[in-house]
This record gives sequence, structure tokens and C-alpha cells, in this order.
Amino acid sequence: RKEVEQDPGPFNVPEGATVAFNCTYSNSASQSFFWYRQDCRKEPKLLMSVYSSGNEDGRFTAQLNRASQYISLLIRDSKLSDSATYLCVVNLRDDKIIFGKGTRLHILP
Amino acid sequence: ETGVTQSPTHLIKTRGQQVTLRCSSQSGHNTVSWYQQALGQGPQFIFQYYREEENGRGNFPPRFSGLQFPNYSSELNVNALELDDSALYLCASSSGPNYGYTFGSGTRLTVV
Repeated sequence: RKEVEQDPGPFNVPEGATVAFNCTYSNSASQSFFWYRQDCRKEPKLLMSVYSSGNEDGRFTAQLNRASQYISLLIRDSKLSDSATYLCVVNLRDDKIIFGKGTRLHILP
Repeated sequence: ETGVTQSPTHLIKTRGQQVTLRCSSQSGHNTVSWYQQALGQGPQFIFQYYREEENGRGNFPPRFSGLQFPNYSSELNVNALELDDSALYLCASSSGPNYGYTFGSGTRLTVV
């Protein structure tokens, strides 16, 4: 099983719709979790941290389920500018940082 | 507050050569990590430095080495370059493992 797995997509979603991504991780000793966004030919940018209690920032909600070892990202009222690749990131306790391969999102006008 | 800066932005090297990439961390950040990103893939963790000591390493051979300096800037050195080393190399800095990372815009390395 890969350390961090994401559905590569692409997800083609009409503007205004709600879209959800999941990411699973294999190491139960993982200590911190993040979602990053990466635009084409640009560097990744931190979108939000992920906690068991959930984390909401405007239209974006992230959730961690430690028992099932997955994290999720929900985007409500999607905008054209949300089109990007979304990367799931897991920090392991031995200070290794593992990125998923990313999920591509296309918001359609 | 300055962000993470990397140099050079682009580089072409010949197989077998050595290369040094540089990174200045964001002000106030004491942790730097390096990543290799091939086209269409997520970034692959190379290693991380905290206060000048390597404190985490991914699955990369010893010919990938690094340094962190007292001002928290960092270098990535790659010896005996191979064609498969062609990729975007990203540096990121953080104030700790629970705070997320700020990335530089990367160095695109082409090995011919």
C-alpha cells in the first residue's frame, strides 16, 4: 500500500458545485496533515492544516479521520479559480514528509 | 517578510557532473526541506534540516546531500548526475512540523 494515496482525477465540476477529495495514508504514526494547492508550473501553496476536529476556512473544509486513516477536503460553491491540483501531505513522526501525487480539479464555466 | 527564494531558476548539466542548488528560507523559519518533483507527480521528499542538522530523509541515494547554514539558508548537492535527476527541485521552509511549509518557486534542472 502506498504511503499516501489520492485519486488523480481529473474531477470536472461545474462552477458553483460542491466537490470532495479524499486521501488515505498507511502509517498510523503520522503526526500532522495538510492540504496544498498547486497551479500548473508553480510551487505548492499551503491551503490548510487538517485536524480531527475539522478545520474550515471560508468555502473550504478539511477533516481528519485517524481511525480510518484518511483526510478529506470539501470545496463548496466552487469557482473557476479553484482549478488546480490538490496535494495531500502527511508528516511522519520520524520527520519524513510524504506528498500524495495530487488530484486535478477542473471547474467548468 | 520575505518568502523562500531559490537559485538558480533553471540549470542544464551534463550526466556525471555535480550541481549545487541554493535556498534562502522565509524569515523566522528554522526548518528547511527539499523535494524533487517530476512532471505529473507529487513532490518527493529528499531530506529536511533543522538547526543545521539533517533530521529526516526520504528514499534518495547518498549522492543527494545537503547543508543548512546558521542563517537557516540551505544547499542541495547532487553528485554524479543521472538523466533521471532531471526535475523541478523545490525548497520549503517552516517554523516546525505542525505549521506547514512555504515553498520557493523551484529550480528546474535538466540533465543531458
